Amino acid sequence: GAGVSQSPSNKVTEKGKDVELRCDPISGHTALYWYRQSLGQGLEFLIYFQGNSAPDKSGLPSDRFSAERTGGSVSTLTIQRTQQEDSAVYLCASSQGGGGTEAFFGQGTRLTVV
Amino acid sequence: TQLLEQSPQFLSIQEGENLTVYCNSSSVFSSLQWYRQEPGEGPVLLVTVVTGGEVKKLKRLTFQFGDARKDSSLHITAAQPGDTGLYLCADRVGATNKLIFGTGTLLAVQP
Repeated sequence: GAGVSQSPSNKVTEKGKDVELRCDPISGHTALYWYRQSLGQGLEFLIYFQGNSAPDKSGLPSDRFSAERTGGSVSTLTIQRTQQEDSAVYLCASSQGGGGTEAFFGQGTRLTVV
Repeated sequence: TQLLEQSPQFLSIQEGENLTVYCNSSSVFSSLQWYRQEPGEGPVLLVTVVTGGEVKKLKRLTFQFGDARKDSSLHITAAQPGDTGLYLCADRVGATNKLIFGTGTLLAVQP
């Protein structure tokens, strides 16, 4: 596609429910990132996929969070048993590779846990 | 673990004023990037700097990279309301070269 696409754009869920957030990266980009952002704050790194390498999961805040990337393209971030502190904007980005290459971001999914 | 601290955290100025925001790292930068994020959007790359002492200009924006490659500044001349947004510095770190971001500076330019 023309850019990074995320869905849904907004998600309201009840505490304790599971949610899945989807990211469609730019075609041909081998690197994919997930970040979490609270209002007016910087980006908190969650997970990084690079090609066929094992993902860097060092930013996942708890075992309730997981992500997969199927066929080197679409990625899904899953949050199990959501808590109110999980409320944030979840941003996905892709890039052509590592090094100094530019990361292109989607518009994010705003998750609200009530 | 490398930490990227940005200052100030918030800045509200009038149109036409000049300003400088800073990014400091606990470790030497690999390749520093500056992004701007407008409300409701994802961050967009402004510039990448690699060499210590490097200065890059993008219209009214001037980016400086410290000689020791542990700090950087972004200077905006004659700020305009369109400059409003969250300014983020970023670097690639660790064995996997993941991209991490600083704490951000939220800039509001009043007309």
